[in-house]
Amino acid sequence: GESVGLHLPTLSVQEGDNSIINCAYSNSASDYFIWYKQESGKGPQFIIDIRSNMDKRQGQRVTVLLNKTVKHLSLQIAATQPGDSAVYFCAEGGNTDKLIFGTGTRLQVFP
Amino acid sequence: EPEVTQTPSHQVTQMGQEVILRCVPISNHLYFYWYRQILGQKVEFLVSFYNNEISEKSEIFDDQFSVERPDGSNFTLKIRSTKLEDSAMYFCASSEVGGRGTEAFFGQGTRLTVV
Repeated sequence: GESVGLHLPTLSVQEGDNSIINCAYSNSASDYFIWYKQESGKGPQFIIDIRSNMDKRQGQRVTVLLNKTVKHLSLQIAATQPGDSAVYFCAEGGNTDKLIFGTGTRLQVFP
Repeated sequence: EPEVTQTPSHQVTQMGQEVILRCVPISNHLYFYWYRQILGQKVEFLVSFYNNEISEKSEIFDDQFSVERPDGSNFTLKIRSTKLEDSAMYFCASSEVGGRGTEAFFGQGTRLTVV
């Protein structure tokens, strides 16, 4: 069946360090993945996406890595800032319009 | 920057009552969605809507739920007879195009509390 899940519920990092948030998916037919950031009291905010024909994609301070062999997705945030504190969700773009979200990882940034 | 707006931000209702959650999608978007998030859990797909009809719905979206685009700007979710377990954050989203590889923009959400 379809499932998208996260390894760690909470990640604590020091300001300025790099953060790595991981995600596992089970549907090997999936070919589109998205990372969303959700701040307290707000809706999910698109960060970056990647298609299965790529292994890596970079944005501003963020990088998404896709390992199709082990069905693993990660989000790397460089020089983590207090404003990065939020819950991060990976989501799978299925073969229809819907997005299938993972459980979420809470990122806490300490000064 | 264009955004999806939702009203109200918080709705409290008694069990068995009908509620209507309202959304104004981004103006040039053609695909509309409702998702919900029970406290502490992941975001779950409810329904997608295109060309004035439902294109997909989840198992959660039973006969108690309905969606409507009553005019050119609003997109509503109606729950006919609310249950305690309907308490959740409800997010509206919209996108320019649908299908695989769709970047959906989410609203701030409506917190529904059923008492």
